[in-house]
Amino acid sequence: DTGVSQNPRHKITKRGQNVTFRCDPISEHNRLYWYRQTLGQGPEFLTYFQNEAQLEKSRLLSDRFSAERPKGSFSTLEIQRTEQGDSAMYLCASSPWGGREGKNIQYFGAGTRLSVL
Amino acid sequence: AQKVTQAQTEISVVEKEDVTLDCVYETRDTTYYLFWYKQPPSGELVFLIRRNSFDEQNEISGRYSWNFQKSTSSFNFTITASQVVDSAVYFCALSGPPGNQFYFGTGTSLTVIP
Repeated sequence: DTGVSQNPRHKITKRGQNVTFRCDPISEHNRLYWYRQTLGQGPEFLTYFQNEAQLEKSRLLSDRFSAERPKGSFSTLEIQRTEQGDSAMYLCASSPWGGREGKNIQYFGAGTRLSVL
Repeated sequence: AQKVTQAQTEISVVEKEDVTLDCVYETRDTTYYLFWYKQPPSGELVFLIRRNSFDEQNEISGRYSWNFQKSTSSFNFTITASQVVDSAVYFCALSGPPGNQFYFGTGTSLTVIP
């Protein structure tokens, strides 16, 4: 059972460019979460999906951010017109849903570190 | 509102010392879950433990132990006989109903000196 996979691990971009990150969750995990982590802080929730449905979005998720999970498997997070304040680690997590065991445990990927110059 | 406070920003201990990481939480939910995660320099958050609000039993797993006290809204984590490999940032997190988002503290950076 492979863990949560995120690509790329690092992304450097110029201000104003668009970037897209990918997350492959643990297979058969219905829920997928995106978080953002800045230096010295804990992860902050951005959004989550159950299968292909996006169930909740944080106010942190401005209209420049969009996330998709088209077939209920992998997910993408796109940031349009990047700003220097978008520089952060973007973490993806997945969890099982249904059944009794472990459905509330989120398993995290290693993250994508974004640097906006 | 949900909130987690980890007042200790950085801790340094000498190898083999015991160390306790503090976590205080706030929630209005009657059912909630508490977690500890470890984040080594590689960046991946590693799940350590989950505790639900109805289970105040302390837990021990090897050198790790957790003390959950609802009366003080605390969920502290103790590492006994620390090792260099324990050096990492440790996060305490809180969630409401299963499947909802996690609320993380700001983390405690632990350095174990050989």
